[in-house]
Amino acid sequence: AQKITQTQPGMFVQEKEAVTLDCTYDTSDQSYGLFWYKQPSSGEMIFLIYQGSYDEQNATEGRYSLNFQKARKSANLVISASQLGDSAMYFCAMRGYTGRRALTFGSGTRLQVQP
Amino acid sequence: DSGVTQTPKHLITATGQRVTLRCSPRSGDLSVYWYQQSLDQGLQFLIQYYNGEERAKGNILERFSAQQFPDLHSELNLSSLELGDSALYFCASTEGDSSYEQYFGPGTRLTVT
Repeated sequence: AQKITQTQPGMFVQEKEAVTLDCTYDTSDQSYGLFWYKQPSSGEMIFLIYQGSYDEQNATEGRYSLNFQKARKSANLVISASQLGDSAMYFCAMRGYTGRRALTFGSGTRLQVQP
Repeated sequence: DSGVTQTPKHLITATGQRVTLRCSPRSGDLSVYWYQQSLDQGLQFLIQYYNGEERAKGNILERFSAQQFPDLHSELNLSSLELGDSALYFCASTEGDSSYEQYFGPGTRLTVT
């Protein structure tokens, strides 16, 4: 079984500052992937970034980076230089590469960027 | 735009009724996943189809069923609807069974009154 824990229901950040959204996971799979999705108020799910469990380097995609600490089972999302358009729900998710391929999601963190 | 389409965008219906939600995956994607997002359950996986065959089941109720057609579009059928079925239903598609990125459709918001 897989479990994702996001302990921050809500976060505030000032525009142009960096923010870290926490995510811890639990799995018995040896090989797995970790994902972050953004859900704006309009409702769509937007893929942000992916980290494979065997990737040696932390993933980066533009202003998004994933701070992957395998021993601690954490996969925190770092957003640099926050923008007003970053205000949204953020979901951490994972999937294994054997057995079920579907994503398991955390409960999400609502980020509000303040001007 | 992810390339995944879902219809209808909104659906309002009464308890006890039956509805069908439709999903067209990205061109070339063989695998379709259905997810439900509700206030009390969060985002949870319902069912996966790959190239027309059921591949995996999650927390899908017996009142719910799905299928994937030869043209690869998928339908999720919800019957004997209850107030608690009100949710946002997403489908997502991937090229293969093991492809890592799932492309989500815009979702269908179902309201049961």
